[in-house]
Amino acid sequence: EDKVVQSPLSLVVHEGDTVTLNCSYEVTNFRSLLWYKQEKKAPTFLFMLTSSGIEKKSGRLSSILDKKELSSILNITATQTGDSAIYLCAVPKGEYGNKLVFGAGTILRVKS
Amino acid sequence: GAGVSQSPSNKVTEKGKDVELRCDPISGHTALYWYRQSLGQGLEFLIYFQGNSAPDKSGLPSDRFSAERTGGSVSTLTIQRTQQEDSAVYLCASSLVDEIYNEQFFGPGTRLTVL
Repeated sequence: EDKVVQSPLSLVVHEGDTVTLNCSYEVTNFRSLLWYKQEKKAPTFLFMLTSSGIEKKSGRLSSILDKKELSSILNITATQTGDSAIYLCAVPKGEYGNKLVFGAGTILRVKS
Repeated sequence: GAGVSQSPSNKVTEKGKDVELRCDPISGHTALYWYRQSLGQGLEFLIYFQGNSAPDKSGLPSDRFSAERTGGSVSTLTIQRTQQEDSAVYLCASSLVDEIYNEQFFGPGTRLTVL
């Protein structure tokens, strides 16, 4: 059964710290892995990693895909209170990759 | 309004009542998805619409749940005879085309509370 597991479940850090969030997956016919940030209700898209794009960076956020280990990490450097959110990892599944299987998320709280 | 919109934002209902949740996808997006997020859990796929194709209903948890999409745009998720375990945030998402990269844009969700 396709599944996504994220760790840690929650994390509390101080502003300026660097954090690493983990995502491991099991999916038939891997296509891509997506990271989302969820602050209130609507998850917002961060990164998509594929076999041809295993590393992405945007400002203080970066993500790497390890296809051999079936995992991905999301790094946030110099954390700010605005980074506090739930970070979700997802992989598409199904014949056409139209369904996203999500992990339970990592709750990040950045204290000032 | 360029994003996905959902209404109502919050809904409180009594056990046994029916509820309807609405989703307006981004204009031009042909694919529409419904997810459910229970407290402390990740998003759970419910149903998927793509163009005029038959919807993929494989994620609907019971026959009390149904959804339709009219005119290839607005979608309504209906829950009949609500139960307390239906309490969750119901999220709608849309994407431009059904492609393998599947970047989905989410609406703000409807928080459903069944008393």
